[in-house]
Amino acid sequence: QKEVEQNSGPLSVPEGAIASLNCTYSDRGSQSFFWYRQYSGKSPELIMSIYSNGDKEDGRFTAQLNKASQYVSLLIRDSQPSDSATYLCAALGGYNKLIFGAGTRLAVHP
Amino acid sequence: KAGVTQTPRYLIKTRGQQVTLSCSPISGHRSVSWYQQTPGQGLQFLFEYFSETQRNKGNFPGRFSGRQFSNSRSEMNVSTLELGDSALYLCASSLMPTGTVSGNTIYFGEGSWLTVV
Repeated sequence: QKEVEQNSGPLSVPEGAIASLNCTYSDRGSQSFFWYRQYSGKSPELIMSIYSNGDKEDGRFTAQLNKASQYVSLLIRDSQPSDSATYLCAALGGYNKLIFGAGTRLAVHP
Repeated sequence: KAGVTQTPRYLIKTRGQQVTLSCSPISGHRSVSWYQQTPGQGLQFLFEYFSETQRNKGNFPGRFSGRQFSNSRSEMNVSTLELGDSALYLCASSLMPTGTVSGNTIYFGEGSWLTVV
Protein backbone atom coordinates (compact mmCIF):
# COMPACT_ATOMS: atom_id res chain seq x y z
CA GLN A 1 0.00 0.00 0.00
CA LYS A 2 1.34 3.40 -1.00
CA GLU A 3 1.69 5.89 1.83
CA VAL A 4 -0.12 8.69 0.00
CA GLU A 5 -2.70 7.73 -2.58
CA GLN A 6 -4.34 9.81 -5.26
CA ASN A 7 -6.51 9.01 -8.22
CA SER A 8 -4.28 9.50 -11.26
CA GLY A 9 -7.11 10.90 -13.38
CA PRO A 10 -7.38 12.61 -15.68
CA LEU A 11 -10.10 14.56 -13.96
CA SER A 12 -11.88 16.54 -16.62
CA VAL A 13 -14.06 19.52 -15.64
CA PRO A 14 -15.63 22.32 -17.66
CA GLU A 15 -14.40 25.87 -17.24
CA GLY A 16 -16.11 27.57 -14.30
CA ALA A 17 -16.90 24.33 -12.48
CA ILE A 18 -15.53 23.11 -9.16
CA ALA A 19 -12.69 20.61 -9.38
CA SER A 20 -12.40 18.24 -6.44
CA LEU A 21 -9.10 16.45 -5.87
CA ASN A 22 -8.75 13.78 -3.21
CA CYS A 23 -5.92 12.17 -1.32
CA THR A 24 -5.64 9.55 1.42
CA TYR A 25 -2.64 8.79 3.59
CA SER A 26 -1.66 5.80 5.69
CA ASP A 27 0.63 7.29 8.36
CA ARG A 28 -1.58 8.37 11.28
CA GLY A 29 1.38 10.31 12.65
CA SER A 30 1.33 12.73 9.71
CA GLN A 31 0.49 16.23 10.90
CA SER A 32 1.17 18.47 7.92
CA PHE A 33 -0.20 18.23 4.41
CA PHE A 34 0.54 20.06 1.22
CA TRP A 35 -0.86 20.47 -2.26
CA TYR A 36 1.57 21.16 -5.09
CA ARG A 37 0.72 22.02 -8.68
CA GLN A 38 3.02 20.81 -11.43
CA TYR A 39 2.68 21.92 -15.01
CA SER A 40 4.06 19.57 -17.65
CA GLY A 41 7.84 19.84 -17.79
CA LYS A 42 7.98 22.20 -14.82
CA SER A 43 8.78 21.84 -11.13
CA PRO A 44 6.16 21.46 -8.38
CA GLU A 45 4.82 24.69 -6.91
CA LEU A 46 3.23 24.87 -3.46
CA ILE A 47 -0.35 26.13 -3.57
CA MET A 48 -1.77 25.13 -0.18
CA SER A 49 -0.67 23.75 3.15
CA ILE A 50 -2.97 22.53 5.92
CA TYR A 51 -2.19 21.39 9.43
CA SER A 52 -5.52 21.27 11.30
CA ASN A 53 -8.79 19.45 10.74
CA GLY A 54 -11.30 21.45 8.77
CA ASP A 55 -11.14 23.79 5.82
CA LYS A 56 -8.54 26.32 4.77
CA GLU A 57 -9.37 28.76 2.01
CA ASP A 58 -7.03 30.77 -0.18
CA GLY A 59 -8.64 32.53 -3.11
CA ARG A 60 -10.22 29.95 -5.39
CA PHE A 61 -8.56 27.09 -3.50
CA THR A 62 -9.90 25.30 -0.44
CA ALA A 63 -7.99 22.53 1.29
CA GLN A 64 -9.88 20.15 3.57
CA LEU A 65 -8.35 17.83 6.16
CA ASN A 66 -9.97 15.01 8.10
CA LYS A 67 -7.35 13.28 10.24
CA ALA A 68 -9.80 10.70 11.60
CA SER A 69 -10.50 9.50 8.05
CA GLN A 70 -6.90 10.19 6.94
CA TYR A 71 -8.23 12.20 4.06
CA VAL A 72 -7.14 15.44 2.41
CA SER A 73 -8.85 17.20 -0.45
CA LEU A 74 -8.40 20.26 -2.61
CA LEU A 75 -11.29 22.15 -4.15
CA ILE A 76 -10.71 24.56 -7.00
CA ARG A 77 -13.63 26.88 -7.59
CA ASP A 78 -14.31 28.59 -10.91
CA SER A 79 -11.79 26.31 -12.64
CA GLN A 80 -9.83 27.88 -15.47
CA PRO A 81 -7.95 26.26 -18.36
CA SER A 82 -4.77 27.59 -16.72
CA ASP A 83 -5.50 25.27 -13.77
CA SER A 84 -4.87 22.27 -16.02
CA ALA A 85 -1.90 20.56 -14.41
CA THR A 86 -0.96 17.65 -12.20
CA TYR A 87 -1.78 18.17 -8.53
CA LEU A 88 0.45 16.44 -6.02
CA CYS A 89 -0.65 15.72 -2.49
CA ALA A 90 2.14 15.43 0.09
CA ALA A 91 2.19 14.41 3.73
CA LEU A 92 4.92 15.12 6.24
CA GLY A 93 5.35 11.69 7.73
CA GLY A 94 7.47 10.15 10.39
CA TYR A 95 11.17 10.99 10.41
CA ASN A 96 10.29 14.36 8.85
CA LYS A 97 10.11 13.00 5.32
CA LEU A 98 7.79 14.58 2.79
CA ILE A 99 5.88 11.77 1.08
CA PHE A 100 4.20 12.55 -2.23
CA GLY A 101 1.28 10.90 -3.94
CA ALA A 102 1.53 10.02 -7.62
CA GLY A 103 -0.55 13.06 -8.54
CA THR A 104 -3.91 13.69 -10.18
CA ARG A 105 -3.97 15.15 -13.65
CA LEU A 106 -6.62 17.86 -13.99
CA ALA A 107 -7.89 19.00 -17.36
CA VAL A 108 -10.15 22.08 -17.51
CA HIS A 109 -11.83 22.40 -20.87
CA PRO A 110 -13.42 25.60 -22.23
CA LYS B 1 15.23 37.02 -5.43
CA ALA B 2 16.68 34.12 -7.42
CA GLY B 3 15.02 30.75 -7.08
CA VAL B 4 16.54 27.33 -6.71
CA THR B 5 19.03 26.79 -9.52
CA GLN B 6 19.90 23.37 -10.82
CA THR B 7 22.57 22.43 -13.33
CA PRO B 8 22.76 20.86 -15.77
CA ARG B 9 19.16 20.96 -16.94
CA TYR B 10 19.48 18.08 -19.37
CA LEU B 11 22.03 15.35 -19.73
CA ILE B 12 22.46 11.96 -21.35
CA LYS B 13 24.73 9.34 -19.84
CA THR B 14 25.65 5.76 -20.64
CA ARG B 15 25.02 2.81 -18.35
CA GLY B 16 27.86 2.35 -15.93
CA GLN B 17 28.91 5.98 -15.95
CA GLN B 18 28.51 8.33 -13.02
CA VAL B 19 26.84 11.72 -12.88
CA THR B 20 26.99 14.76 -10.61
CA LEU B 21 24.11 17.21 -10.35
CA SER B 22 24.38 20.61 -8.73
CA CYS B 23 21.92 22.73 -6.80
CA SER B 24 22.11 26.31 -5.54
CA PRO B 25 19.38 27.03 -3.00
CA ILE B 26 17.54 30.29 -2.56
CA SER B 27 19.78 32.83 -0.86
CA GLY B 28 19.57 32.36 2.91
CA HIS B 29 18.15 28.87 2.73
CA ARG B 30 20.27 26.29 4.51
CA SER B 31 18.22 23.15 3.91
CA VAL B 32 18.49 21.32 0.60
CA SER B 33 16.53 18.20 -0.32
CA TRP B 34 16.75 16.02 -3.38
CA TYR B 35 13.94 14.09 -5.02
CA GLN B 36 13.68 11.71 -7.94
CA GLN B 37 10.59 11.90 -10.14
CA THR B 38 9.64 9.15 -12.59
CA PRO B 39 6.34 8.39 -14.31
CA GLY B 40 6.08 5.05 -12.54
CA GLN B 41 7.15 5.95 -9.00
CA GLY B 42 6.26 9.62 -8.78
CA LEU B 43 8.24 11.96 -6.54
CA GLN B 44 10.52 10.08 -4.17
CA PHE B 45 12.70 11.56 -1.46
CA LEU B 46 16.43 10.95 -1.81
CA PHE B 47 18.09 12.90 1.01
CA GLU B 48 18.14 16.17 2.88
CA TYR B 49 21.09 18.29 3.99
CA PHE B 50 21.23 21.08 6.50
CA SER B 51 24.38 22.93 7.51
CA GLU B 52 26.54 20.45 5.57
CA THR B 53 25.09 17.46 7.44
CA GLN B 54 22.81 14.80 6.01
CA ARG B 55 19.68 14.90 8.12
CA ASN B 56 17.58 12.35 6.35
CA LYS B 57 17.82 9.70 3.70
CA GLY B 58 15.26 7.92 1.53
CA ASN B 59 15.20 4.31 0.41
CA PHE B 60 17.73 4.46 -2.40
CA PRO B 61 20.83 2.33 -2.91
CA GLY B 62 24.26 3.54 -1.90
CA ARG B 63 24.99 4.48 -5.51
CA PHE B 64 23.09 7.67 -4.74
CA SER B 65 25.03 10.11 -2.59
CA GLY B 66 25.12 13.78 -1.89
CA ARG B 67 26.87 16.50 -0.03
CA GLN B 68 26.40 20.11 0.96
CA PHE B 69 28.99 22.83 1.04
CA SER B 70 29.49 25.64 3.52
CA ASN B 71 27.67 28.06 1.18
CA SER B 72 24.63 25.71 1.25
CA ARG B 73 25.10 24.64 -2.36
CA SER B 74 24.58 20.92 -2.79
CA GLU B 75 25.58 18.20 -5.19
CA MET B 76 24.25 14.74 -5.68
CA ASN B 77 26.10 11.93 -7.37
CA VAL B 78 24.87 8.71 -8.91
CA SER B 79 27.50 6.10 -9.65
CA THR B 80 27.29 3.07 -11.92
CA LEU B 81 24.24 4.41 -13.71
CA GLU B 82 21.40 2.05 -14.61
CA LEU B 83 18.64 2.53 -17.17
CA GLY B 84 16.17 2.86 -14.32
CA ASP B 85 17.97 5.95 -13.05
CA SER B 86 16.52 7.93 -15.95
CA ALA B 87 14.39 10.53 -14.23
CA LEU B 88 13.86 14.15 -13.34
CA TYR B 89 15.99 15.01 -10.32
CA LEU B 90 14.55 17.85 -8.31
CA CYS B 91 16.31 19.91 -5.71
CA ALA B 92 14.31 21.81 -3.12
CA SER B 93 15.39 24.38 -0.58
CA SER B 94 13.92 25.80 2.57
CA LEU B 95 15.00 28.00 5.44
CA MET B 96 14.87 25.25 8.01
CA PRO B 97 14.93 21.45 7.84
CA THR B 98 11.74 19.72 6.77
CA GLY B 99 9.27 19.26 9.60
CA THR B 100 11.04 21.40 12.18
CA VAL B 101 9.06 24.60 11.86
CA SER B 102 5.44 25.14 10.87
CA GLY B 103 5.11 27.12 7.68
CA ASN B 104 8.57 26.18 6.46
CA THR B 105 7.87 26.37 2.72
CA ILE B 106 9.83 24.12 0.41
CA TYR B 107 10.71 25.58 -2.99
CA PHE B 108 11.64 23.37 -5.92
CA GLY B 109 14.12 24.03 -8.67
CA GLU B 110 13.36 23.33 -12.33
CA GLY B 111 15.13 19.98 -12.12
CA SER B 112 17.77 18.08 -14.02
CA TRP B 113 16.52 15.67 -16.65
CA LEU B 114 18.78 12.61 -16.74
CA THR B 115 18.55 10.04 -19.50
CA VAL B 116 20.60 6.86 -19.19
CA VAL B 117 21.13 4.93 -22.43
